[in-house]
Amino acid sequence: NAGVTQTPKFQVLKTGQSMTLQCAQDMNHEYMSWYRQDPGMGLRLIHYSVGAGITDQGEVPNGYNVSRSTTEDFPLRLLSAAPSQTSVYFCASRPTSGSGSPLHFGNGTRLTVT
Amino acid sequence: GQQLNQSPQSMFIQEGEDVSMNCTSSSIFNTWLWYKQEPGEGPVLLIALYKAGELTSNGRLTAQFGITRKDSFLNISASIPSDVGIYFCAGHQGAQKLVFGQGTRLTINP
Repeated sequence: NAGVTQTPKFQVLKTGQSMTLQCAQDMNHEYMSWYRQDPGMGLRLIHYSVGAGITDQGEVPNGYNVSRSTTEDFPLRLLSAAPSQTSVYFCASRPTSGSGSPLHFGNGTRLTVT
Repeated sequence: GQQLNQSPQSMFIQEGEDVSMNCTSSSIFNTWLWYKQEPGEGPVLLIALYKAGELTSNGRLTAQFGITRKDSFLNISASIPSDVGIYFCAGHQGAQKLVFGQGTRLTINP
């Protein structure tokens, strides 16, 4: 059982470049989300989705776009990368949108923007 | 956004010692969760708390949901080397958003 799979594991971008961080889950989870992790700041929610075709903003959405065309996939797009977006990005999912079920996390994508 | 204040930020202990860390907030949370993160991996859920006053154990780990619903603590008894990692508290802000504390980095000297 693969769980939550994130690709790539590492990425280096130049300022202004665009890229998509991939996230896929094989658990048929309705809820998926993206977090960024920065030293001393814990994990901060970027965007989330409660089901295919539905997305919403989290705490730090600026500079990021998401879409949810299928239940399995929830890609995160950086349209014009900035050094402030250097971070470790985690995708997470859970069975329902309610607070009763725990999040399952992927192993992260470490992004460096120069 | 909602902030969870987690302390201490880091701990350096000897193997076998007990560990205590806590999380506080200025607002009420309906759920408190404790996660552990090891290097190169995503956080993994340790304990989930759903009721004010609830005390839950998972092996050597014990966590409590504060009566005021604004705080939670996690204790680890008789620490072992594999307890090393970063521990995060988290709380639900509504049903959709999970807010995390800043993390407590635990280092254990054998």
